[in-house]
Amino acid sequence: KAGVTQTPRYLIKTRGQQVTLSCSPISGHRSVSWYQQTPGQGLQFLFEYFSETQRNKGNFPGRFSGRQFSNSRSEMNVSTLELGDSALYLCASSNDRGVETQYFGPGTRLLVL
Amino acid sequence: EDQVTQSPEALRLQEGESSSLNCSYTVSGLRGLFWYRQDPGKGPEFLFTLYSAGEEKEKERLKATLTKKESFLHITAPKPEDSATYLCAVIYGGATNKLIFGTGTLLAVQP
Repeated sequence: KAGVTQTPRYLIKTRGQQVTLSCSPISGHRSVSWYQQTPGQGLQFLFEYFSETQRNKGNFPGRFSGRQFSNSRSEMNVSTLELGDSALYLCASSNDRGVETQYFGPGTRLLVL
Repeated sequence: EDQVTQSPEALRLQEGESSSLNCSYTVSGLRGLFWYRQDPGKGPEFLFTLYSAGEEKEKERLKATLTKKESFLHITAPKPEDSATYLCAVIYGGATNKLIFGTGTLLAVQP
């Protein structure tokens, strides 16, 4: 069974731009969660989508948004990028039990200049 | 404040030298505690889920235990391939699940 895939793997943007990251979950998984990982803050939960609906949300500003499509693929968008948004963005998919049984992708490393 | 704290931040062991990593938490309504392993440049890899105090789980050289305030990840006779960052996370809360991660323990096992 193929694992979670994320594209692109690396991205460089400048302040003020926006970015869209993509995540394809494991086949049959309907829950997709997004995380931001930085050396200072560690792994922080952004949001979870299940069957195209946002089911859970972390404490991030509205510049961070996401969506899920009918095939369970998910995208995350960050608008008006700031230097502090530089991080590894991880996507995780799981079955109906949500974040309790999740498998992570390799991540997208975003650098904001 | 709800938080998860892992210690030590970094640990260096000789091959075969057993030790334990700690994950302490202060949250209300714990629903589960997870351990992950993360290798450089990769996403976290799921290891264990623990749901209640007294529960233990084992996988190869790893054993995870849970009390009402903390969890331990015991590593018995580690090998160099066990070198990685070990993360713990807790899910808690009532109607709305909340999930927070610790900042991890970087483990280096020298041959």
